[in-house]
Amino acid sequence: AQSVTQLGSHVSVSEGALVLLRCNYSSSVPPYLFWYVQYPNQGLQLLLKYTSAATLVKGINGFEAEFKKSETSFHLTKPSAHMSDAAEYFCAVSEKETSYDKVIFGPGTSLSVIP
Amino acid sequence: ETGVTQTPRHLVMGMTNKKSLKCEQHLGHNAMYWYKQSAKKPLELMFVYSLEERVENNSVPSRFSPECPNSSHLFLHLHTLQPEDSALYLCASSQVGPRADTQYFGPGTRLTVL
Repeated sequence: AQSVTQLGSHVSVSEGALVLLRCNYSSSVPPYLFWYVQYPNQGLQLLLKYTSAATLVKGINGFEAEFKKSETSFHLTKPSAHMSDAAEYFCAVSEKETSYDKVIFGPGTSLSVIP
Repeated sequence: ETGVTQTPRHLVMGMTNKKSLKCEQHLGHNAMYWYKQSAKKPLELMFVYSLEERVENNSVPSRFSPECPNSSHLFLHLHTLQPEDSALYLCASSQVGPRADTQYFGPGTRLTVL
């Protein structure tokens, strides 16, 4: 069965500093991997996804993630944090069930940005 | 309207009430999902409808009853809920194909059971 771990339930960075949110997955087949962001009192919004094309994936709001098969990792980065980046971030892996797309979500990392 | 919409956005109900949550997707997708998001817990998949057939019922108590009248609409009927059912209920949709694809989420309904 596939699973996702996110190291650090809470990460704090200063405004303008590098953002690094860690994600490791386990999968027996080539995975589809996702990062979602959730702002307070809102649903989940797709930031980016990996679908076995380029290993470096660029997403919205200046975020990117790199797929490293040897490390089974899919860490999310942003060169310079902005106050508006404060949110909950979820890494996810999907697997194909017979008739639907099952997505396994990590527990989430709460990002705080300090002015 | 675009994307996935959910109504109401907030709901307060007593344990003896009956209420329904509504989800509508405007993306032409053929699968819809209900998730429960409780504080300090991972997202829990509750129900999945694919091509209007229920294909997953993740050991959800019978006080939650889903309904999918067509590929664009999904309901969650609630009755005799418990305080521990208070949570954010998220609806999502996707296009089921040869490989797993992105799920698109609605804004959620914040449910409080008194």
